[in-house]
Amino acid sequence: QKEVEQNSGPLSVPEGAIASLNCTYSDRGSQSFFWYRQYSGKSPELIMFIYSNGDKEDGRFTAQLNKASQYVSLLIRDSQPSDSATYLCAAHLNTDKLIFGTGTRLQVFP
Amino acid sequence: EAQVTQNPRYLITVTGKKLTVTCSQNMNHEYMSWYRQDPGLGLRQIYYSMNVEVTDKGDVPEGYKVSRKEKRNFPLILESPSPNQTSLYFCASSPGTGGYEQYFGPGTRLTVT
Repeated sequence: QKEVEQNSGPLSVPEGAIASLNCTYSDRGSQSFFWYRQYSGKSPELIMFIYSNGDKEDGRFTAQLNKASQYVSLLIRDSQPSDSATYLCAAHLNTDKLIFGTGTRLQVFP
Repeated sequence: EAQVTQNPRYLITVTGKKLTVTCSQNMNHEYMSWYRQDPGLGLRQIYYSMNVEVTDKGDVPEGYKVSRKEKRNFPLILESPSPNQTSLYFCASSPGTGGYEQYFGPGTRLTVT
């Protein structure tokens, strides 16, 4: 089992809709979680991080964490074509490493 | 401007010819790391450093070397590159471990023929 798993997609949503991106992790000891956005050929860019169970909102983005289910999600409200990118979920395990999932490709069509 | 820089951005080389990819950060970060990114495999950590003169292997260290003689610099060395090291490489830095976010450089696209 991979340590951090994501559906590779593509996830296609119409402009203005809510995009829901999901991530599961295997290590119950994981303490902190990150969502990065990566445009093709570019470097990952941090969108949000979350440490506590529940929701964390920042503008159009909401991160959700459920440690009991080992599940992290990212909701993007009012999706725009410029949100089309690959979204990487990452988890800090009980080590010095940040483990990345393979990413979910999001396509927002007009 | 706070940033992580990498050089070169693009490199085409031949098998066996030693090369170095430089990485520098101006944020006074303790932690630096190198990743490679390949289609379908995601970001995989090569080496990381928690401070000057402290380095450790990540998940795919074979064929790579690193050094951390100064806090701001963390070069990646390929002593004898092979075609399976053709990849997109990212350097990243972080204020520390244990939950801090990482900031990525722009990437180096390496092709080994």
